[in-house]
Amino acid sequence: NAGVMQNPRHLVRRRGQEARLRCSPMKGHSHVYWYRQLPEEGLKFMVYLQKENIIDESGMPKERFSAEFPKEGPSILRIQQVVRGDSAAYFCASAQGQANQPQHFGDGTRLSIL
Amino acid sequence: TQLLEQSPQFLSIQEGENLTVYCNSSSVFSSLQWYRQEPGEGPVLLVTVVTGGEVKKLKRLTFQFGDARKDSSLHITAAQPGDTGLYLCAGGDGANNLFFGTGTRLTVIP
Repeated sequence: NAGVMQNPRHLVRRRGQEARLRCSPMKGHSHVYWYRQLPEEGLKFMVYLQKENIIDESGMPKERFSAEFPKEGPSILRIQQVVRGDSAAYFCASAQGQANQPQHFGDGTRLSIL
Repeated sequence: TQLLEQSPQFLSIQEGENLTVYCNSSSVFSSLQWYRQEPGEGPVLLVTVVTGGEVKKLKRLTFQFGDARKDSSLHITAAQPGDTGLYLCAGGDGANNLFFGTGTRLTVIP
C-alpha cells in the first residue's frame, strides 16, 4: 500500500467529539475515494472527490459527515458529534482518474468511539 | 447500486489444496478488479480484467472475467498459508466508480 498515506492509523474519540481523518493520495493521483468497513464486511463507498470538488457523496450520511480535498494538502473526512455506530475502519483510495484505472488503498484509520 | 455477490463467504482449506472463489452480479461491468486484504491493512490490488472472457495468471492465481462481463472467478492452485486473507472483487462502471463485493475470507491451514 505504499503511496497512499492515511493518518492517524488509530483514533479514539468520546461520544460527541469530532474526528478528522486525513488521506494523502499517491503522487500524480487527483481522484480520492473514502470507504467504510465494518468487521467481517466488505467496503462501503462513502464519497468521491477530485481536487476542490465533491463528485459523488451518495454513500455519505447527510448529517455529521463531510469531506474535502483542497487544492493543497490532504483529503479530510470529518465526522462531527461522533456516536458509537461510527466505530469502523475508514479507508481512502486514490486513482489517476481515467476510466477503469485501479484504485490504490491506504492502510486505513481505525476509529473507536468510547 | 450494482451488487456483487461473492461465494463462498468463508473458506478454510489445507495447504496444497486448490480452490475457486466466485464473484457474481446481474449487472454488466466495464472492468473487474480483485483485491486481497490482510488484517489491519488496506486492500491490495491483485489484477484488473477488462475484456469478456479474459484470463489472467499471477503465479498460482488464475483470474477469469465472464464472457458477459457480469461475473468473475479466482482460482488458486496449491494454496499456501500466505494466501490467507480477505479476497474482494470490485466492478468498475466505466466512469470512476467501483462497486465492491461482499468478500471471501480464506484461511489456509498449514
